[in-house]
Amino acid sequence: ILNVEQSPQSLHVQEGDSTNFTCSFPSSNFYALHWYRWETAKSPEALFVMTLNGDEKKKGRISATLNTKEGYSYLYIKGSQPEDSATYLCAFIGGSGNTPLVFGKGTRLSVIA
Amino acid sequence: SAVISQKPSRDICQRGTSLTIQCQVDSQVTMMFWYRQQPGQSLTLIATANQGSEATYESGFVIDKFPISRPNLTFSTLTVSNMSPEDSSIYLCSVERGDGYNEQFFGPGTRLTVL
Repeated sequence: ILNVEQSPQSLHVQEGDSTNFTCSFPSSNFYALHWYRWETAKSPEALFVMTLNGDEKKKGRISATLNTKEGYSYLYIKGSQPEDSATYLCAFIGGSGNTPLVFGKGTRLSVIA
Repeated sequence: SAVISQKPSRDICQRGTSLTIQCQVDSQVTMMFWYRQQPGQSLTLIATANQGSEATYESGFVIDKFPISRPNLTFSTLTVSNMSPEDSSIYLCSVERGDGYNEQFFGPGTRLTVL
C-alpha cells in the first residue's frame, strides 16, 4: 500500500507571513507528483504537476520543489493572503502512470487578516 | 480546461436509502473518475467510468454498492446504495487534462451526510 504523508495537518498564519508544507511519498518507482488547492465548497484546482527530480515550479506567490530521490516535495507560499486559505493536497503517481493517483490527507491553511 | 458540474451539491439522507449523484462535463471525454473523501481521510478513487463499457472499480469498492452509469461522453452518475453513516463523505467526479501526467479537473463535489 502506497503511503503519501502531508505535514503539518493544519496551519494558521498571519497575513503577510510566508509558509511551507511538506509532502512525503515513496522514493522508488516515481512517475509524477501533483499539488492541488481545494477551497471550501469549490472544486480542487491543480497548482503544479512535477515530474523531474529537482523540479522547481512557481505560480505567482506559490512555488514547489521536488526531490524524488528522497521522496519529498515542498510547497511554499510567500506573503500569505486570506484568499490563500484552503486545503492543499498532494497526489503521487508511480510506475508508468497507469495507476490511480494516491492522495495525502492534505494541509489545511488558514490565513488570518 | 474542463468545466464540471455536480448535482446535488449536498444532501442529508437516511440509513438504508440510496442517492444518485450526477456529473456533467462541458466537453466530450473518454474517462470520468469518481472519488470519495471520508472525514479526516485522503481523497480515494472509487472507480473509472468509460463510455460504452462497465466501470472499473478500485480495491475495496464494488458495483453493488456504487453502481455507475456512463450513457454518453459528457455525463456520468454514481449511486451510493443502501447507505450507512460510514458513507458520509464528499464525492467528487473528475476528468483528466490529457497531458500524459494524469492531471485532474474536478467537480465541486457532493457533500453527503447519512443519519
